[in-house]
Amino acid sequence: AQSVAQPEDQVNVAEGNPLTVKCTYSVSGNPYLFWYVQYPNRGLQFLLKYITGDNLVKGSYGFEAEFNKSQTSFHLKKPSALVSDSALYFCAVRDEGNTPLVFGKGTRLSVIA
Amino acid sequence: DAGVIQSPRHEVTEMGQEVTLRCKPISGHDYLFWYRQTMMRGLELLIYFNNNVPIDDSGMPEDRFSAKMPNASFSTLKIQPSEPRDSAVYFCASSLLGRHEQFFGPGTRLTVL
Repeated sequence: AQSVAQPEDQVNVAEGNPLTVKCTYSVSGNPYLFWYVQYPNRGLQFLLKYITGDNLVKGSYGFEAEFNKSQTSFHLKKPSALVSDSALYFCAVRDEGNTPLVFGKGTRLSVIA
Repeated sequence: DAGVIQSPRHEVTEMGQEVTLRCKPISGHDYLFWYRQTMMRGLELLIYFNNNVPIDDSGMPEDRFSAKMPNASFSTLKIQPSEPRDSAVYFCASSLLGRHEQFFGPGTRLTVL
């Protein structure tokens, strides 16, 4: 069965600094990996995904994520954080079949001006 | 496209009452998912449908919960009778086979007094 771990409940970063939100996964076979963001009182919004191909995936709002098969990780990154990036971030994984996504518990990102 | 539509956005009810949450998926999507989000348990998958057929309802917490999808454009999640511990935000999401990512609705915030 697939699983996702987001080891940090909270990440604090100063505006303008680079940010990283960590995610590790476990899945049988090749993983399909996703990042979602949730702003207060809103649904989850899709940010980016890795299915195959280049290990560095670029997504919405300047975010990117790097797939590392040997470390079974898919960390979310942004070169320069904005206060408006403050939100709850979810990593998710599924296997190659039509199984539902399995979500991590979420990491709350706080960008301080 | 208007995205996934959920109604009502907020519901306050008393213990023992029946609650019905509604969802309209994105037109053409063939998968529909119901999730529940709480602070304690995070995001939980309750049930999902493929082409209007329930595929996995193992996440439905109790027999008090039921879900239907009478057609491709409408689904309901019913709780009868409701209990205070059912208080949560309920999300509906839809996806298109082969596209992988799920699109979430804005959620219904349920409060059971």
